[in-house]
Amino acid sequence: GQQLNQSPQSMFIQEGEDVSMNCTSSSIFNTWLWYKQEPGEGPVLLIALYKAGELTSNGRLTAQFGITRKDSFLNISASIPSDVGIYFCAGRGYGGSQGNLIFGKGTKLSVKP
Amino acid sequence: DAGITQSPRYKITETGRQVTLMCHQTWSHSYMFWYRQDLGHGLRLIYYSAAADITDKGEVPDGYVVSRSKTENFPLTLESATRSQTSVYFCASSQGLRTDTQYFGPGTRLTVL
Repeated sequence: GQQLNQSPQSMFIQEGEDVSMNCTSSSIFNTWLWYKQEPGEGPVLLIALYKAGELTSNGRLTAQFGITRKDSFLNISASIPSDVGIYFCAGRGYGGSQGNLIFGKGTKLSVKP
Repeated sequence: DAGITQSPRYKITETGRQVTLMCHQTWSHSYMFWYRQDLGHGLRLIYYSAAADITDKGEVPDGYVVSRSKTENFPLTLESATRSQTSVYFCASSQGLRTDTQYFGPGTRLTVL
């Protein structure tokens, strides 16, 4: 079945640093989504990407849909303490049950003030 | 503006007991989903529903039963709970399947003793 590899698994950074994380898929996706989950809460959508090569920003967050359709990247610029949480990528393939989302295992971000 | 709610937020039960987790959404979204979240596995789809009285299995359906008699509700039942079903359960909804993003509830933390 489809698999998503998300890396890194965790990051410990200093406030003000930039962050980069990525997801790669074993198959082609038509949608990439990035979610953030804070402790005790459900995932919240940050950015949605629907087109290969698409680059979309949401404040200090920027995500890209890879040209190969098999990867996506999320960058956070000038991190702040409230960026702490787990970031998940999710992708959707083509046809049938592949309309369902496949989730990465998450990147846990810790920010030191 | 309730959105999507889950109840209970926390539940402790014993092996062999039946447990029902509730999910309610106020957006009139067509699709609803149940995921479980475990360390090392990320989010895995249990069941989903395209509309009232239409449900389908996800990646990990064994040991779970769902129903959807009304569009706004999507209960998940563990007919005979096992320790391996200790997890955090998230309900989500979306208007469509292939192009629309999913919005998540706050989660139910279930412990099976």
